[in-house]
Amino acid sequence: GIQVEQSPPDLILQEGANSTLRCNFSDSVNNLQWFHQNPWGQLINLFYIPSGTKQNGRLSATTVATERYSLLYISSSQTTDSGVYFCAVEKIQGAQKLVFGQGTRLTINP
Amino acid sequence: NAGVMQNPRHLVRRRGQEARLRCSPMKGHSHVYWYRQLPEEGLKFMVYLQKENIIDESGMPKERFSAEFPKEGPSILRIQQVVRGDSAAYFCASSLGVGSPLHFGNGTRLTVT
Repeated sequence: GIQVEQSPPDLILQEGANSTLRCNFSDSVNNLQWFHQNPWGQLINLFYIPSGTKQNGRLSATTVATERYSLLYISSSQTTDSGVYFCAVEKIQGAQKLVFGQGTRLTINP
Repeated sequence: NAGVMQNPRHLVRRRGQEARLRCSPMKGHSHVYWYRQLPEEGLKFMVYLQKENIIDESGMPKERFSAEFPKEGPSILRIQQVVRGDSAAYFCASSLGVGSPLHFGNGTRLTVT
């Protein structure tokens, strides 16, 4: 099956810093989503982005489908950005049978 | 709150008991999914349902686990004769369908003692 690798596994930053999280996948995909799991365990959908670039406030994401990677950018980090960021992919659009990466644990210190 | 609603938030069961997890999708969503998250791991797909139909259950364990999404009422994930290895967070999600984002509930943390 498709493999999803996220890097780095852990990232510790000071408030105000910028960060880039990477997601590599082993096969072509038609469905790619980024999620944030906060320290209370809630999962929030950040982007549905099988290709191209999207922006939402301080967050933006770019997926280069032909090169099988996606990047999540967080600018001017805040402590509320802390948590685990997951990339999830599906090869064929259909059952939303997403394959999740292991996540990047982001800690933003005040 | 128009989000995906799951209950209970926490559930403790003794080995051998049954666990019932409930999920109401976002308003207007007719596609429901169940995922399981073991400690320190990503989520793993279990089952995809639409009203009164199981569309894909390829991620469900063959025994003891079942899911339904009746015409009326919430989707139910049922685990019979729970064992310690069933302890995990179970997340329900819903979407408008193919090509649309997945929205998750807050999860049910199941602990089997």
